[in-house]
Amino acid sequence: GESVGLHLPTLSVQEGDNSIINCAYSNSASDYFIWYKQESGKGPQFIIDIRSNMDKRQGQRVTVLLNKTVKHLSLQIAATQPGDSAVYFCAENNNAGNMLTFGGGTRLMVKP
Amino acid sequence: NAGVTQTPKFQVLKTGQSMTLQCAQDMNHNSMYWYRQDPGMGLRLIYYSASEGTTDKGEVPNGYNVSRLNKREFSLRLESAAPSQTSVYFCASTVAGIAKNIQYFGAGTRLSVL
Repeated sequence: GESVGLHLPTLSVQEGDNSIINCAYSNSASDYFIWYKQESGKGPQFIIDIRSNMDKRQGQRVTVLLNKTVKHLSLQIAATQPGDSAVYFCAENNNAGNMLTFGGGTRLMVKP
Repeated sequence: NAGVTQTPKFQVLKTGQSMTLQCAQDMNHNSMYWYRQDPGMGLRLIYYSASEGTTDKGEVPNGYNVSRLNKREFSLRLESAAPSQTSVYFCASTVAGIAKNIQYFGAGTRLSVL
């Protein structure tokens, strides 16, 4: 598939370890955040979202943490698997209501 | 359900040619979006349609036009393609009229302009 980012930050982890992917957002007024996973040659796939009235939300093997004080979002993946290898994007709603603003992405590589 | 379907999957154009990228969703969603994705960058919004009958510019609308044909379909047109429009184009849809809900994406159209 095509490369979705030639110079993306890369996180390399061992299979079975936990992964933490970080994202700094820009707008203190943003009140909705979402994480997507994108595999090579495919469209972004929803992982988990969180609203600003929460600081933590858990899904299946994934947890999103929101720190509004420092405008920081993180995605934690437990027991990382080879199938988790992908590019991960965070996005924020800029409170104008109609647009999501996407970050540049982080490439996760899982070593067997 | 197919979700969000984009056609074509690949396209090569010469500078100055025109083409229309098609997008259809079968989830009865109100809002639809067109993004482009370039190497080393995240997704950038070109145009969106908050509801049937409305369209608005996003971050990078120049060189593009859109049509919300009906609730299901949202097309993106390049009237005179330029090499700077070489990119991967994604269509997305969401249930509500604002972007505070999950957007579901198609598989993308990979466009090269020579």
